[in-house]
Amino acid sequence: SQTIHQWPATLVQPVGSPLSLECTVEGTSNPNLYWYRQAAGRGLQLLFYSVGIGQISSEVPQNLSASRPQDRQFILSSKKLLLSDSGFYLCAWTNSGNTIYFGEGSWLTVV
Amino acid sequence: QKEVEQNSGPLSVPEGAIASLNCTYSDRGSQSFFWYRQYSGKSPELIMFIYSNGDKEDGRFTAQLNKASQYVSLLIRDSQPSDSATYLCAVNIGNNAGNMLTFGGGTRLMVKP
Repeated sequence: SQTIHQWPATLVQPVGSPLSLECTVEGTSNPNLYWYRQAAGRGLQLLFYSVGIGQISSEVPQNLSASRPQDRQFILSSKKLLLSDSGFYLCAWTNSGNTIYFGEGSWLTVV
Repeated sequence: QKEVEQNSGPLSVPEGAIASLNCTYSDRGSQSFFWYRQYSGKSPELIMFIYSNGDKEDGRFTAQLNKASQYVSLLIRDSQPSDSATYLCAVNIGNNAGNMLTFGGGTRLMVKP
């Protein structure tokens, strides 16, 4: 069966510091991968999606970036965090079907 | 106009009652519809999906789709306190190379014992 993992689960970072969130999927190949953000009390906002290695599409202009160095690995990064980057970050995947499955999520607090 | 709209709630129902959650969407080209449940502080988990007009039942859950009126609903029968969560409606719009879902803001459901 397929599983998705992301880490770290929680982190507190100062303004201006870098960020790296990592996500891996197991049990499938060539998945579509996504990064969503959910601000407190808000809906899910799609940040990036990838249909293959090295292929990244950005939905929202911001100081975040994403990379897909391997088929089942998706990384969310920032060089300098802003207070507004705080939120719940979710990695997700899908393949042949339309159903999207989420990882456990990463809580980011920028202080 | 938001693409997927839900009443934010909270929707409060007594234990054992039927909870009815509604969602409207703006794009008539939408093809797939999903309901996710999200407990506080946790990631969303899929409850069910529906593609065709009509009803789809899975245990205590029934999804209803009306493409002509552009709405999809979720009924929860015999509501339990453990059903208390935020329910997210999601829509997959056709011709979407990334198979992306657009989410509504969610409806918070409270089931009171």
